Amino acid sequence: EVQLVESGGGLVQPGGSLRLSCVASGFAFSSHWMNWVRQAPGKGLVWVSRMNSNGSIIGYADAVKGRFTTSRDNAKNTLYLQMNSLRAEDAAVYYCVRGGTPADWGQGTLVTVSS
Amino acid sequence: QSALTQPPSASGSPGQSVTISCTGTSSDVGAYNYVSWYQQHPGKAPKLMIYEVSKRPSGVPDRFSGSKSANTASLTVSGLQVEDEADYYCSSYAVGNKWVFGGGTKLTVL
Repeated sequence: EVQLVESGGGLVQPGGSLRLSCVASGFAFSSHWMNWVRQAPGKGLVWVSRMNSNGSIIGYADAVKGRFTTSRDNAKNTLYLQMNSLRAEDAAVYYCVRGGTPADWGQGTLVTVSS
Repeated sequence: QSALTQPPSASGSPGQSVTISCTGTSSDVGAYNYVSWYQQHPGKAPKLMIYEVSKRPSGVPDRFSGSKSANTASLTVSGLQVEDEADYYCSSYAVGNKWVFGGGTKLTVL
């Protein structure tokens, strides 16, 4: 069974940083594209980033490019999202999603940006 | 990088069919056969219902079907059931190694 467990969310002040982690199990993590998708409270889904299996190809949404960095450690079956210069509009539940086509979703971790 | 356009709401009675549209551009929906649809119940993570325009993952009822014409994709739910009431999102691969989602459609089963 595919399991994706996100962590690292919390309350951060505007301008601050946070690093999210996603631990994967139940499949060959090193063989799959991975994504980050976010959802602000009461709002729709917004794609954030994607990375190929070995980390050599990364894509970012325009809204986060230059502020967010996606990485992965295939030895630890873990995907990361480093978020810098956080803004109020970055507040959301962040989902880790497996697949070139986003397919299997974690339960998400909540990021709150407020002073 | 604009969101795909979906109607905010749709509705139907049990047993009826409903179709939800998803309009993009020649840089996303019109350019690739990588359109997917997701179902999200309140407080839950999204669930993949359709991928690559019209393919269903294992376990998804064949009441759910997808199609595409030019820059517009569609999700049809036939034989509506009460448990189909949820938010539905379309998504497409886009130029520049990106994905884009629609704004979501709230499906109400009357």
